[in-house]
Amino acid sequence: GAGVSQSPSNKVTEKGKDVELRCDPISGHTALYWYRQSLGQGLEFLIYFQGNSAPDKSGLPSDRFSAERTGGSVSTLTIQRTQQEDSAVYLCASSLTGGPGYTFGSGTRLTVV
Amino acid sequence: GIQVEQSPPDLILQEGANSTLRCNFSDSVNNLQWFHQNPWGQLINLFYIPSGTKQNGRLSATTVATERYSLLYISSSQTTDSGVYFCAVDDDSSYKLIFGSGTRLLVRP
Repeated sequence: GAGVSQSPSNKVTEKGKDVELRCDPISGHTALYWYRQSLGQGLEFLIYFQGNSAPDKSGLPSDRFSAERTGGSVSTLTIQRTQQEDSAVYLCASSLTGGPGYTFGSGTRLTVV
Repeated sequence: GIQVEQSPPDLILQEGANSTLRCNFSDSVNNLQWFHQNPWGQLINLFYIPSGTKQNGRLSATTVATERYSLLYISSSQTTDSGVYFCAVDDDSSYKLIFGSGTRLLVRP
């Protein structure tokens, strides 16, 4: 596609429920990143996929968070047993071969009530 | 890990004014980028500038890697420049970016 697409744009969920957030990167971009932005804060790295290599999960805050990328394209970030502190905007970005030309999606605003 | 500090945290300008935003980082970096987050939350990559100077229209950026800082210049500011400006770096060529806390800019008409 022309840009990085994320869905849903907004998600309200009850504490304890699982959620799945989707990212569709720019076609041909081999690198895909997930970041989290809490209210009024900068971005916090979560996970990085590069081609067929094992993902870099060093930023995931707990084992309730996981992500996968199928076929080198679409990625899903899953948060299990959501907590109120998980409320944030989750942003996905892709780049060509992990280079500096990052393109961000519009994000998913997650609210845990 | 690398620390990234941005200043000022907040800035209010009258339309037409010029401004300089600063980014300090605590260690040598492979990559430095400036982003603009508009009031609707969309992040736009402005510059990839690990060293040297680049210009794009009314915006320009300079990074002095040996002194561990970067500057973003906005000239003849417009209301559409409002938003948050982030500096981000990485130190290991993976392009996992470490973001500063941003400079929130408001340009008044």
